Amino acid sequence: DIQMTQSPSSLSASVGDTVTISCRASHAISNSLAWYQQKPGKVPELLIYDASTLRSGVSFRFSGSGSGPDFTLTISSLQPEDAATYYCQSYNSGLAFGGGTKVQIK
Amino acid sequence: QVQLQESGPGLVKPSETLSLTCAVSGYSITSGYYWGWLRQPPGKGLEWIGTIYHDGNTYYNPSLKSRVTLSVDTPKNQFSLNLASVTAADTAMYYCARGSGWNGDNWFDPWGQGTQVTVSS
Repeated sequence: DIQMTQSPSSLSASVGDTVTISCRASHAISNSLAWYQQKPGKVPELLIYDASTLRSGVSFRFSGSGSGPDFTLTISSLQPEDAATYYCQSYNSGLAFGGGTKVQIK
Repeated sequence: QVQLQESGPGLVKPSETLSLTCAVSGYSITSGYYWGWLRQPPGKGLEWIGTIYHDGNTYYNPSLKSRVTLSVDTPKNQFSLNLASVTAADTAMYYCARGSGWNGDNWFDPWGQGTQVTVSS
């Protein structure tokens, strides 16, 4: 079974900072990776699929890069509304989520 | 736009079967896409349970496969989850979602609002 490892598990950054979250797959998954944002008490929302394709309506401050096994989610010019937990999810020969990265605003 | 709404009992006794339904509005299940179930235990991360296509093809998480059954009701435009022999470890928020991709290799968008299920006697 595929395993997804996210790092860090949490981070704290200031408004305007650029933040990067990493996700590593246990084996090659091509570009079959999605990123989700989950705000406290809310439903997860898709940000990015196919590793780098931004879902329609999502802010261009979010970007994804990488190809199996290593991927990165970058949040540019961090805003207060970006406080959330972010999850990566693989979908190549099995589905699995990373453990999540909690982003807090200083 | 497509909307999904989960429904079912909020409390299930240990060893019994958890049954949930996801009603889809604004889109016909038979028009395409995949339809999935996911869950999130309190304070923990996300877990994929399984996915079904309107033709009945199913894809299950190997760790849950022995206990999970998904089904689809195309006239009612809804799909369902049955999880057998539940324990306290199955206590979670359960979400249904629309899947894009191929043959069970899916990302999910949008998601339903979720329904909390507690396993307790």
